[in-house]
Amino acid sequence: QVQLQESGPGLVKPSETLSLTCTVSGGSVSSGSYYWSWIRQPPGRGLEWIGYVYYSGSSDYNPSFKSRVTISVDSSKNQFSLKLNSVTAADTAVYYCATNLGGWELPVWGHGTLVTVSS
Amino acid sequence: QSVLTQAPSVSGAPGQRVTISCTGSSSNIGAAYDVHWYQQLPGTAPKLLIYGNSNRPSGVPDRFSGSKSGTSASLAITGLQAEDEADYYCQSFDSSLSGYVFGTGTKVTVL
Repeated sequence: QVQLQESGPGLVKPSETLSLTCTVSGGSVSSGSYYWSWIRQPPGRGLEWIGYVYYSGSSDYNPSFKSRVTISVDSSKNQFSLKLNSVTAADTAVYYCATNLGGWELPVWGHGTLVTVSS
Repeated sequence: QSVLTQAPSVSGAPGQRVTISCTGSSSNIGAAYDVHWYQQLPGTAPKLLIYGNSNRPSGVPDRFSGSKSGTSASLAITGLQAEDEADYYCQSFDSSLSGYVFGTGTKVTVL
């Protein structure tokens, strides 16, 4: 079955770029009908969808992030990535990658990775 | 920003029934998009509990059930158990966002 694993720096300085990668195993990022998502959860708060990328490379983003986010897919590495520019302390959160496997629910999630924005 | 509204907390004694509501709008639940529910235990990733309004993935006990009507949906837990103490989130698709929307989350406490 499809499994996801997030990786990337746990500490990012304010104004810099947050970069995370999600490695897919047990499946392919090139699978049709699958949307590869990033979702975050600030400490003690709820879930917030950041955006997703389709296997073709097309993407869509939450308007709250649209001006500073890029989500891309790398088929050669079976990974997809998140870049969030100009981060502030408000971007401190656990970041999850997830996928829908064809429907609009999210049955597969990574374990999540905590990213702290601090100087 | 959460587009789906949930009560912050509900509680019940072991064996009791509790319900969690999720209120949306005409661009998500009211637009006939399905509602899905997740259970999040402390320090873990959300786990899909109900999909397509009322369907349970394999392995989810039938104590959990979901329903949807109009611009709202509900999750019911019958025969409440100590292990059900967790945060619960609803989720749907929003046509104005062209993406996923989550509820504000409800913490279930077993007394």
